[in-house]
Amino acid sequence: AQSVTQLGSHVSVSEGALVLLRCNYSSSVPPYLFWYVQYPNQGLQLLLKYTSAATLVKGINGFEAEFKKSETSFHLTKPSAHMSDAAEYFCAVSDPTTSYDKVIFGPGTSLSVIP
Amino acid sequence: DTEVTQTPKHLVMGMTNKKSLKCEQHMGHRAMYWYKQKAKKPPELMFVYSYEKLSINESVPSRFSPECPNSSLLNLHLHALQPEDSALYLCASSQTGTSGRREQFFGPGTRLTVL
Repeated sequence: AQSVTQLGSHVSVSEGALVLLRCNYSSSVPPYLFWYVQYPNQGLQLLLKYTSAATLVKGINGFEAEFKKSETSFHLTKPSAHMSDAAEYFCAVSDPTTSYDKVIFGPGTSLSVIP
Repeated sequence: DTEVTQTPKHLVMGMTNKKSLKCEQHMGHRAMYWYKQKAKKPPELMFVYSYEKLSINESVPSRFSPECPNSSLLNLHLHALQPEDSALYLCASSQTGTSGRREQFFGPGTRLTVL
């Protein structure tokens, strides 16, 4: 069975500092991996996805993530935090052998940015 | 058009009311989803429709009744809800098949309060 863990339910960084949000997964097959962001009272927006192409994936708003199979990780980074990055971030995994997405979400990490 | 729309944005209902949530997408996606999200939690999958047929029901109580009238529309009919059903209800859609383009596009959600 697939699962996702996100280390740290809350992360706080200073404006301009590096953002690192951790995600580890377990999957019986090479998975598809996603990072979504959710701003207060809004739906989820896709930041980036890994689908077995390049292991370093660039997304929107300056975010990127690296797929490391040996570590079963897909950590999200951004070199310089902006106040507008404050939001809830969800890592998710899906099984590519199915014809539709049953996405398993991690518990989420709330990012705060301190001015 | 890469948007999923949901109506209404907010809904307050009593436990004896009948109401419906609506979701629409015009991206040609043939998989559509209903999720329930409680505060500070990840979305929980409720239902998946694939090619207008119900593919997954995650043991959701019968007071929630999904309907997919056509490939662009998804409804969630609500009847005799309980206060614990108060949550953000999210609709999403995605392409089907194993093409690798598996991300889900989310709507902004309906904030439901059951009194």
